[in-house]
Amino acid sequence: GDSVTQMEGPVTLSEEAFLTINCTYTATGYPSLFWYVQYPGEGLQLLLKATKADDKGSNKGFEATYRKETTSFHLEKGSVQVSDSAVYFCALDTGGFKTIFGAGTRLFVKA
Amino acid sequence: SQTIHQWPATLVQPVGSPLSLECTVEGTSNPNLYWYRQAAGRGLQLLFYSVGIGQISSEVPQNLSASRPQDRQFILSSKKLLLSDSGFYLCAWSPGTPYNYGYTFGSGTRLTVV
Repeated sequence: GDSVTQMEGPVTLSEEAFLTINCTYTATGYPSLFWYVQYPGEGLQLLLKATKADDKGSNKGFEATYRKETTSFHLEKGSVQVSDSAVYFCALDTGGFKTIFGAGTRLFVKA
Repeated sequence: SQTIHQWPATLVQPVGSPLSLECTVEGTSNPNLYWYRQAAGRGLQLLFYSVGIGQISSEVPQNLSASRPQDRQFILSSKKLLLSDSGFYLCAWSPGTPYNYGYTFGSGTRLTVV
C-alpha cells in the first residue's frame, strides 16, 4: 500500500544552519505530495505542496522538490530560525479520500 | 474564506464518562471531513472520515464514534471513555475535488482521561 517514510528526529540545529528533512514515499499512480508543520500545542498547517514530478513547492523559505525517480520529497531551508522549531510531517495523497502522513520529524533550533 | 472551528480546546474527563467533540467548517460546501488522534510525541492516526452527510468511514475499531448531522458539522463521540482515549484530537477538512488541495486542520482538542 501507499506509505511515507521520514527521517527520525529529533533534529537539533543552531540558528542559521541549513536544514534537510528527508522524506521518501511509496505510491501507486501519481500522488500529490505535501509538507505540514505543527507548532507546539497547535493543529497542523499546510507548509507547501507539489502536485507533479519535478514541481518545487516553496513557502516561508522552505522548499521541496518532487523527485519521481527517487520517490523523494525532501524538505530544505537555507537558514533556520528559533521560530522554525516544530514538528514537520510529510504526506501524500492519491485521491482516495485519505492522505497518508509520515510519522513526523521534530526540529529544535537553538539560539 | 474558509475557516474551521473545533472545540473545546482542552478537556479533562473521568474514565467512563461520555465525550462529544464538535467541529464545524465555514465558507465551503460538501467538504470531506476527518478526525485524527495524536498520542503524545506520536504521529497522526486517522479515526474517521466523511464524504457527505450521514456517511462515516471508520479506520480504527474502538469505543469512539462519529456523526455528520449537517454538511459542515462533524462530531466525535464516546459513550464511555477509557484511559487510552487520552490524546490530541484534530479535525480537518478538504474539498471534495481537487484531491491535491491539502487539508486544513482545526486547532485541536487536548483530551485527558483521568
